[in-house]
Amino acid sequence: EADIYQTPRYLVIGTGKKITLECSQTMGHDKMYWYQQDPGMELHLIHYSYGVNSTEKGDLSSESTVSRIRTEHFPLTLESARPSHTSQYLCASSSLAGIETQYFGPGTRLLVL
Amino acid sequence: SQKIEQNSEALNIQEGKTATLTCNYTNYSPAYLQWYRQDPGRGPVFLLLIRENEKEKRKERLKVTFDTTLKQSLFHITASQPADSATYLCALGAAGGGNKLTFGTGTQLKVEL
Repeated sequence: EADIYQTPRYLVIGTGKKITLECSQTMGHDKMYWYQQDPGMELHLIHYSYGVNSTEKGDLSSESTVSRIRTEHFPLTLESARPSHTSQYLCASSSLAGIETQYFGPGTRLLVL
Repeated sequence: SQKIEQNSEALNIQEGKTATLTCNYTNYSPAYLQWYRQDPGRGPVFLLLIRENEKEKRKERLKVTFDTTLKQSLFHITASQPADSATYLCALGAAGGGNKLTFGTGTQLKVEL
């Protein structure tokens, strides 16, 4: 079982609220990722990080922002939630060395009303 | 643009039979390909990785083939069991891509008694 955690698991929130989705891993992995996945659709990479103080935007444009102040922690923030942000958000991590598998957290299912 | 296609319709098979799932890609030259399993409400779990210079990989009841000429990977589950029912995702990675993956939409497999 991968040691990567996401909180909350489910979140229902009103439009305009600021939210932060938490992601933590205890594997000492340098690389971390955020994906967005709608039901029945593919995962889309929205942010990734190769280490502390490193963050990059992914292939899918997102209004969210991320930070990487500690190796084990990679939170995602939405300053003003909108219904279009309703989706599942998955966090993953992998080792820095070579081609590595990605370990995924259980996901946060977000519903913005 | 890059495109990854997996069987869009669910695959229903009987217990004990071999399930074969297809992953086709276009406008992409992956250095490696990975298969993941995703259960409802959960994050994907890594199953197998195959590199561009490998034709076949096996792990217990799982087998993956990779044909870079046909731009196709086949994923086989032999002696399938109801517990194998899940969505299976293929993901492609590029050389020097920093382990960023591009995921397909997945194929839902249902193994019936």
